[in-house]
Amino acid sequence: GGIITQTPKFLIGQEGQKLTLKCQQNFNHDTMYWYRQDSGKGLRLIYYSITENDLQKGDLSEGYDASREKKSSFSLTVTSAQKNEMAVFLCASSIQISNERLFFGHGTKLSVL
Amino acid sequence: KTQVEQSPQSLVVRQGENCVLQCNYSVTPDNHLRWFKQDTGKGLVSLTVLVHENDKTSNGRYSATLDKDAKHSTLHITATLLDDTATYICVVGHNTNTGKLTFGDGTVLTVKP
Repeated sequence: GGIITQTPKFLIGQEGQKLTLKCQQNFNHDTMYWYRQDSGKGLRLIYYSITENDLQKGDLSEGYDASREKKSSFSLTVTSAQKNEMAVFLCASSIQISNERLFFGHGTKLSVL
Repeated sequence: KTQVEQSPQSLVVRQGENCVLQCNYSVTPDNHLRWFKQDTGKGLVSLTVLVHENDKTSNGRYSATLDKDAKHSTLHITATLLDDTATYICVVGHNTNTGKLTFGDGTVLTVKP
């Protein structure tokens, strides 16, 4: 079996700060995803990547950048953290975009002071 | 308008009791529907996937149904355990080419001794 590792587990930032979240997978999956989960709300797709060096915008891409430099890693950057922002960012992967079985990491919990 | 509605929002049962979680959706097309379990502070773990009209699945104490005509799914948990305490999330897949998913807000289940 494989695993998805997200770092850091907790991230505290200041308003206006640029913050980077990292995700690694050893499934050898082609497709990787970043989702945002707000308390009590459904997940929303920020960015996804169907292969190395590919980037596709999701429904919530404004205010974020992403990078897929290697097949196994996908990073997400919050370009300017918003004051009092609090959310969990979940990374996921799947064999291919057409395979609906997603495997998730444990999440990075972001708090902005 | 919420495209995937889950009910109830939260539910408390006693260990050993059965419970039923509901998912109604308006997503079109509806290629498949998947139920995930999310423990507090963890990622989502797939419980079951339903693909066909009037599909029924069973995975241990979890069983699920899908009525595509009514755009409705249920998740049954039999003889609940304390470890079943989690958020249960219903996800509808639009089609396999785009991999687009719409997530429900989840039902928070608490199992008490």
